[in-house]
Amino acid sequence: AQSVTQLDSQVPVFEEAPVELRCNYSSSVSVYLFWYVQYPNQGLQLLLKYLSGSTLVKGINGFEAEFNKSQTSFHLRKPSVHISDTAEYFCAVGRGSTLGRLYFGRGTQLTVWP
Amino acid sequence: DTGVSQDPRHKITKRGQNVTFRCDPISEHNRLYWYRQTLGQGPEFLTYFQNEAQLEKSRLLSDRFSAERPKGSFSTLEIQRTEQGDSAMYLCASSTDRGYTFGSGTRLTVV
Repeated sequence: AQSVTQLDSQVPVFEEAPVELRCNYSSSVSVYLFWYVQYPNQGLQLLLKYLSGSTLVKGINGFEAEFNKSQTSFHLRKPSVHISDTAEYFCAVGRGSTLGRLYFGRGTQLTVWP
Repeated sequence: DTGVSQDPRHKITKRGQNVTFRCDPISEHNRLYWYRQTLGQGPEFLTYFQNEAQLEKSRLLSDRFSAERPKGSFSTLEIQRTEQGDSAMYLCASSTDRGYTFGSGTRLTVV
């Protein structure tokens, strides 16, 4: 079965510091990968996605992620965070050749302190 | 692109009542999904439609749950005889081969 592991349930950082949110997945087939952000009582907003091509993916709000097939990872990074980045972040994985159901990690709560 | 719309945004119901949620996908997206998200967890897959055909159902979808997508457009998710454990955020998403978009969700509270 597909599994997605977000290694940190909570990540506190100070404003303007860099941050990395980690995501590892298990799959023996081709995958596509997503990072979503969720603010309280709202739906999921897409930050970035990897479907194919370049393994370094740039998303919205200054976020980027790198697909590492050998390490089965898709870590999310931002060089300098803002207080407004405080939210829950979810990594999601789909498998196969076409977009279908996604498997989500349990989420990482990013809290940015002034 | 008007996004994925879900209605209602919030629903409070008494245990044992039936509830129905609606999802309007992005018009050119032929695939539609329902997920459930409980507090502190990531979304869990419930079911998936390609056009009007329901192609996959999770074992989480008990016989009290039913989903339809008549004419391959909007979809409804009905929960019969609600239980307190059904309290959750119900998320709808739609996709093509290049994009996957979620709605804002319907938060269900069973009291």
